[in-house]
Amino acid sequence: QVKLVESGGGVVQPEKSLRLSCAASGFTFSSVGMHWLRQAPDKRLEWVALIYYDGSHEFYADSVKGRFTISRDNFKNTLYLQMNSLRVEDTAVYYCARDVCGGDCFWGPDHWGQGTLVTVSS
Amino acid sequence: DIVMTQSPLSLPVTPGEPASISCKSSQSLLHSPGHNFLNWYQQKPGQSPHLLIYLGSTRASGVPDRFSGSGSGTEFTLKISRVEAEDVGVYYCMQVLQTPPYTFGQGTRLEIK
Repeated sequence: QVKLVESGGGVVQPEKSLRLSCAASGFTFSSVGMHWLRQAPDKRLEWVALIYYDGSHEFYADSVKGRFTISRDNFKNTLYLQMNSLRVEDTAVYYCARDVCGGDCFWGPDHWGQGTLVTVSS
Repeated sequence: DIVMTQSPLSLPVTPGEPASISCKSSQSLLHSPGHNFLNWYQQKPGQSPHLLIYLGSTRASGVPDRFSGSGSGTEFTLKISRVEAEDVGVYYCMQVLQTPPYTFGQGTRLEIK
């Protein structure tokens, strides 16, 4: 079955960097677009970034543009989120998710990982 | 960005009774070839979100048929025909119209009376 396992979260000081990973299994990772989303404590869900199945295109939320970079390694079936210049307001549980459509089609996330907590604090 | 507004924000329901959640978008989510780019998610306490409905009315794999999605353009509804205790959680609508950013509603907390 589809399995997504995030890792790399933790406590980090403002302006520092962190890289999240998401190990995928149970489906053809290289054929599907992928998303990162996050949820701050007691806040609504927020979409963060997406990447095409082949890594050819990326899109970002305005709140992270220029600071976060999404990437993927289709040989390792792994999705990444490089987070630089972190801010207190980036504190959240970060989820990776597979898109329900395939190829270069995006209909939104279906399967989500369990999430990894990122806390930005001095 | 497209703004998503849900109502109600809190929904107490008696088991066995129906429930309905509204979601309105600040612009139409209808796009060719006739798809509404609106999804519904369920987030049970302590769990990750789970896709219930995509493209406005298509149930995701494994979702019970007591969940249904309807609507078009800017107004959408998630209906649960008969609420069960396991349906407790927060329900979100999300628009995925073409170019990101994608945005979510505030969430509706369903609780059992």
